[in-house]
Amino acid sequence: QVQLQESGPGLVKPSETLSLTCAVSGYSISSGYYWGWIRQPPGKGLEWIGSIYHSGSTYYNPSLKSRVTISVDTSKNQFSLKLSSVTAADTAVYYCARALPGVMDAFDIWGQGTMVTVSS
Amino acid sequence: QSVLTQPPSASGTPGQRVTISCSGSSSNIGSNYVYWYQQLPGTAPKLLIYRNNQRPSGVPDRFSGSKSGTSASLAISGLRSEDEADYYCAAWDDSLSGDVVFGGGTKLTVL
Repeated sequence: QVQLQESGPGLVKPSETLSLTCAVSGYSISSGYYWGWIRQPPGKGLEWIGSIYHSGSTYYNPSLKSRVTISVDTSKNQFSLKLSSVTAADTAVYYCARALPGVMDAFDIWGQGTMVTVSS
Repeated sequence: QSVLTQPPSASGTPGQRVTISCSGSSSNIGSNYVYWYQQLPGTAPKLLIYRNNQRPSGVPDRFSGSKSGTSASLAISGLRSEDEADYYCAAWDDSLSGDVVFGGGTKLTVL
């Protein structure tokens, strides 16, 4: 079955760039679907960060757009998130997920999530 | 402040039927599909309802979704202890350049 696994540093310093990767197994990213990143600050709700198609087309949350880059590497069957100029407000559990067929705004397969803390 | 408004909490006893509301506007719920997610403690969200009222395979028919105008509801019948979780509504928002917006979440307690 399709599985997603996030990886990356658990601690990032303020003003630096947060970088995470989502490795996909059980499905070839190049075959289709949108793939997304969603985050959840401790004790708070969900926030969509952005989505990417296997071709590289991207959609970003307008409030984060100036700081976010999502890219896909079909050769490694993974996609990545970069969030620049981070502050403590970016501390959250970051999830990668696969969208439902034909859409980019609803997600039916999720990774387990990875906690990222922004602190000096 | 979430774009979609949900009650912060809801509760019910085993066997009861509970509903969770989600209020939005014409730019999100009023013109796009609504999705519902269930998040058990310490786990990733799980898609419960898509396209307003459709259940992914494996989701019990005790869970149902509906939409009317700029509001949506999730109903859970035959409440069970394992339904105790946080529930989030979501929808695409057409304002600005587009955005996926979530409700603030409703914590359901099974008494």
